[in-house]
Amino acid sequence: KNQVEQSPQSLIILEGKNCTLQCNYTVSPFSNLRWYKQDTGRGPVSLTIMTFSENTKSNGRYTATLDADTKQSSLHITASQLSDSASYICVVSAEDSNYQLIWGAGTKLIIKP
Amino acid sequence: SQTIHQWPATLVQPVGSPLSLECTVEGTSNPNLYWYRQAAGRGLQLLFYSVGIGQISSEVPQNLSASRPQDRQFILSSKKLLLSDSGFYLCAWADTYRAFYNSPLHFGNGTRLTVT
Repeated sequence: KNQVEQSPQSLIILEGKNCTLQCNYTVSPFSNLRWYKQDTGRGPVSLTIMTFSENTKSNGRYTATLDADTKQSSLHITASQLSDSASYICVVSAEDSNYQLIWGAGTKLIIKP
Repeated sequence: SQTIHQWPATLVQPVGSPLSLECTVEGTSNPNLYWYRQAAGRGLQLLFYSVGIGQISSEVPQNLSASRPQDRQFILSSKKLLLSDSGFYLCAWADTYRAFYNSPLHFGNGTRLTVT
């Protein structure tokens, strides 16, 4: 069964600190992996999309990594800011699914001043 | 630039009442359109998607339906709401002229539906 699991479920860090969020998936055949940021009460916003051949992709202070062999991805946030408080969702697309994306439940990140 | 509008932002409806949520996209043509539902602590669940006017695919059997009367308009409806229909409903679009596998979904700000 295609699944995406994220850890931790929630995380609290101090402003200015770095953090890393994890995503493990069992989706096959793999097409791409996406990270979204979702502010409370808003729709998700795309941060990165990574295909099989990409190991690292950055978007400002956000850096996503992908290890297709171990089926793991991480999202690293550098020098966190209060505005980084949100849920971060990992999404994996299966190559034969066309329009179906497998969504993780998200990691809720809280940045404290 | 492209924008997506979804309304209303919040809605409280009694059980058995009808539902109509509307979503419109501006700045693009022939987009793929999607309706998702998000339950607390769960991943997004795809309800319907559309690749063109009048073309609707349903992913989950339920008492909801969707329609696409115009190229950039997507409507989610129900004739009689159930308590289990409560949730956060999100409309999204994606560019069909890029290979979907590499095209991000662009979401509206959602409708918080509470069925009482």
